[in-house]
Amino acid sequence: GIQVEQSPPDLILQEGANSTLRCNFSDSVNNLQWFHQNPWGQLINLFYIPSGTKQNGRLSATTVATERYSLLYISSSQTTDSGVYFCAVERGGGFKTIFGAGTRLFVKA
Amino acid sequence: GAGVSQSPSNKVTEKGKDVELRCDPISGHTALYWYRQSLGQGLEFLIYFQGNSAPDKSGLPSDRFSAERTGGSVSTLTIQRTQQEDSAVYLCASSFGERTEAFFGQGTRLTVV
Repeated sequence: GIQVEQSPPDLILQEGANSTLRCNFSDSVNNLQWFHQNPWGQLINLFYIPSGTKQNGRLSATTVATERYSLLYISSSQTTDSGVYFCAVERGGGFKTIFGAGTRLFVKA
Repeated sequence: GAGVSQSPSNKVTEKGKDVELRCDPISGHTALYWYRQSLGQGLEFLIYFQGNSAPDKSGLPSDRFSAERTGGSVSTLTIQRTQQEDSAVYLCASSFGERTEAFFGQGTRLTVV
């Protein structure tokens, strides 16, 4: 099956710093999403981005489908950005959505 | 409803008992997923329903686990003869189908004692 690898596995930032999270996938995909899981466990959609670039406030994401990777950029990080960031992909044709192992982010005040 | 709703939010059960977890997807969503997340771990796929197609059950860890989706809407995940290793958060998600965003419920935290 398709493999989804996220890096780095863990990241500690000082408040105000910028960061880039990466998601590599082993096969072509029809769908790619980034999620943030907050400290209470709720998974929140950040981006639906099978290709191209999107921005939402301090967050932006880019997916280069032909090279099988996606990047999530966090600028001017805040303590509320802490949590786990998951990348999830779907191949289509009835295949299920597969999650990466996540990047655990801690932003210190 | 406005979002994916799961019940109960917490469940403590004795080893060997059966449990049922419920998921109400967003109205109109044809795809429904169940995932399991153990403490500090990623999401483990369990089962996927898409419209009237046969479900993808390839993630169910054992025959003690089963799920059904009635009328293409509400889904129930059943775990029979629960074991301590079944303790986890069980998450449900729904979407309009392929090539669309998936939305998650708040999860059911299952503790088997």
